Amino acid sequence: KAGVTQTPRYLIKTRGQQVTLSCSPISGHRSVSWYQQTPGQGLQFLFEYFSETQRNKGNFPGRFSGRQFSNSRSEMNVSTLELGDSALYLCASSPSVGGGETQYFGPGTRLLVL
Amino acid sequence: AQSVTQLGSHVSVSEGALVLLRCNYSSSVPPYLFWYVQYPNQGLQLLLKYTSAATLVKGINGFEAEFKKSETSFHLTKPSAHMSDAAEYFCAVRTGAAGNKLTFGGGTRVLVKP
Repeated sequence: KAGVTQTPRYLIKTRGQQVTLSCSPISGHRSVSWYQQTPGQGLQFLFEYFSETQRNKGNFPGRFSGRQFSNSRSEMNVSTLELGDSALYLCASSPSVGGGETQYFGPGTRLLVL
Repeated sequence: AQSVTQLGSHVSVSEGALVLLRCNYSSSVPPYLFWYVQYPNQGLQLLLKYTSAATLVKGINGFEAEFKKSETSFHLTKPSAHMSDAAEYFCAVRTGAAGNKLTFGGGTRVLVKP
């Protein structure tokens, strides 16, 4: 099976712009989660989707949003970019929710905001 | 709320020596615990997980971890380090009520000396 794929892998934007990142989960996986990784804050949970519904949201401002489509693919959007949004954004998928489910991570999208 | 503490942001070991990475968690309910590894410019790869079965968990690449409820610990070990073990390691916790949200420790970067 193909793993989790994320596009694009690298992105450069300027302050004030918006950006959309895409995540395709492993085939058959219905849960997608997003994480932000920075040197200063480490790995932080953004949000989680299951069957097109947001189930959980982390402590990020409203500029960060996401959605999931009927084929389980997910996108996250960041509006009005700030320098501090520069980070590696990781997507993870799993077959369902909870219990001991393993989350499988993609390679990430590295966003640089200038 | 759950939290994870990884003692030591950097660990240096000699090739062939024991690798010991410490992880302590805080959770008011029985947790699920995970160890992930991240190689440069890649996503996270699952090493092993604890899901309330055996307390000694064996993972990939010769790693294992022991869940000790009394010490709220889930330390990761490998008897003999290999150069390919140089990477960053993350401990994470999840509880049933949190869906698939993982709370990560700050990570430990392992350097392997020849």
